Amino acid sequence: KAGVTQTPRYLIKTRGQQVTLSCSPISGHRSVSWYQQTPGQGLQFLFEYFSETQRNKGNFPGRFSGRQFSNSRSEMNVSTLELGDSALYLCASSLGEYPHYGYTFGSGTRLTVV
Amino acid sequence: AQKVTQAQTEISVVEKEDVTLDCVYETRDTTYYLFWYKQPPSGELVFLIRRNSFDEQNEISGRYSWNFQKSTSSFNFTITASQVVDSAVYFCALSENDYKLSFGAGTTVTVRA
Repeated sequence: KAGVTQTPRYLIKTRGQQVTLSCSPISGHRSVSWYQQTPGQGLQFLFEYFSETQRNKGNFPGRFSGRQFSNSRSEMNVSTLELGDSALYLCASSLGEYPHYGYTFGSGTRLTVV
Repeated sequence: AQKVTQAQTEISVVEKEDVTLDCVYETRDTTYYLFWYKQPPSGELVFLIRRNSFDEQNEISGRYSWNFQKSTSSFNFTITASQVVDSAVYFCALSENDYKLSFGAGTTVTVRA
């Protein structure tokens, strides 16, 4: 059974550019969440989608956006990149609508902004 | 306010020693879920255990065990007879009724041969 797939694994962008990260959840999983991990702030919640609807959004500026497609695949976009956006971005998928189903994480996309 | 506190930043042990990781959480919800995840150097968060707020029964699964105490809002995790492969960062996380996980800062465990 394939796990959560995130592409690309590594990315280097220049300040001011924009970037799109992709996440393919486990087959059958309808919930997809995104997290940012940095040495200073740790793991922080970005947003969660269920059946194409955003149900919650973390405390991030509007430059961070996301969406989910009808096949449950998700993308997140960061516009006008800043040096502080350098981080490991992790995607997680969940089978059900509620948290007790648990979350399976992908290997992440490591974004470096120079 | 930090919802999940992992007071231990780093723990270093010799192989075969037991390791106990502390986690204290804060929530006003009566229904919530607690998790432990392991993050090896590869970066992927690996699910270890899950416990809901209504089940305080402590269990053992292989070399892993956990102690959930609602009275002290603690959810501690123990690795028995540690192995070098257990070296990783361990995260405690809380899920309330808001479709997200709130993570602690993590505890780095180093197991020396």
